[in-house]
Amino acid sequence: EAQVTQNPRYLITVTGKKLTVTCSQNMNHEYMSWYRQDPGLGLRQIYYSMNVEVTDKGDVPEGYKVSRKEKRNFPLILESPSPNQTSLYFCASSPSRDYINEQFFGPGTRLTVL
Amino acid sequence: DQQVKQNSPSLSVQEGRISILNCDYTNSMFDYFLWYKKYPAEGPTFLISISSIKDKNEDGRFTVFLNKSAKHLSLHIVPSQPGDSAVYFCAASAGETSGSRLTFGEGTQLTVNP
Repeated sequence: EAQVTQNPRYLITVTGKKLTVTCSQNMNHEYMSWYRQDPGLGLRQIYYSMNVEVTDKGDVPEGYKVSRKEKRNFPLILESPSPNQTSLYFCASSPSRDYINEQFFGPGTRLTVL
Repeated sequence: DQQVKQNSPSLSVQEGRISILNCDYTNSMFDYFLWYKKYPAEGPTFLISISSIKDKNEDGRFTVFLNKSAKHLSLHIVPSQPGDSAVYFCAASAGETSGSRLTFGEGTQLTVNP
C-alpha cells in the first residue's frame, strides 16, 4: 500500500530534550516536506526537500533541522524543543516538484513539549 | 501575514443542500490553488485544484470557482453528505511547478447534518 508513515504518532517530552520524528514514504517520491498545524494558523511549511541531499527552509524553520540521506526518509529533528513547538506535525511527499496536487500526507504526529 | 485566508472557521449545512467554502488570497503571484480535506486523526488528502487560467473546475460533487480579480476562490459541494464532514483547507502556490511552496489557509470545519 502506497503511504507516508510517521513515528511516533504521539509524543510528550520536556524542554531541551532532543527528539526526532521520522517520516518514510514507499512511493519513490522525490519531493518531501514537513508542516505544522496550529489552531487558527492552518498548515505552515517547516522544511522541504526536492531530492536526496537537497533541503530548504519553509516558512517556519526556526528550531528545526532536517536531513535527506535517502530518498524514502525525511526525519524532522528538534535539537532543543521548547513549548512553542507543541503542535501537530505532518510529513508529505509528492512525485516531483511539478506535481503539487499529488502531495500525500502522513497521519500526523502530535507533539507536546512541557 | 496570512496570505491565504479562510474567514469562516466553521460551517454547518443540512444533508442534500449545497456547501460553499470560501477562501481569499492576497499574493498576486499565486496562480495554482488546491483544496484539501482532513478527517480527525488523519493527514490532509487532496480534493481538487484549479489553475489561474481557468475560472471553474468540476469533479463529481465538487466544484471550485476562481475569481482572480477579487482574489477569491470557493469550493461548492452539491449535494452535501454526512461523510463530507471534515476540515477543508485551501492552499495556493506560485506556479504549477513550484511544488516546493504551498501556502495554506486556516481551515474551515464543515459539518453536514443528516
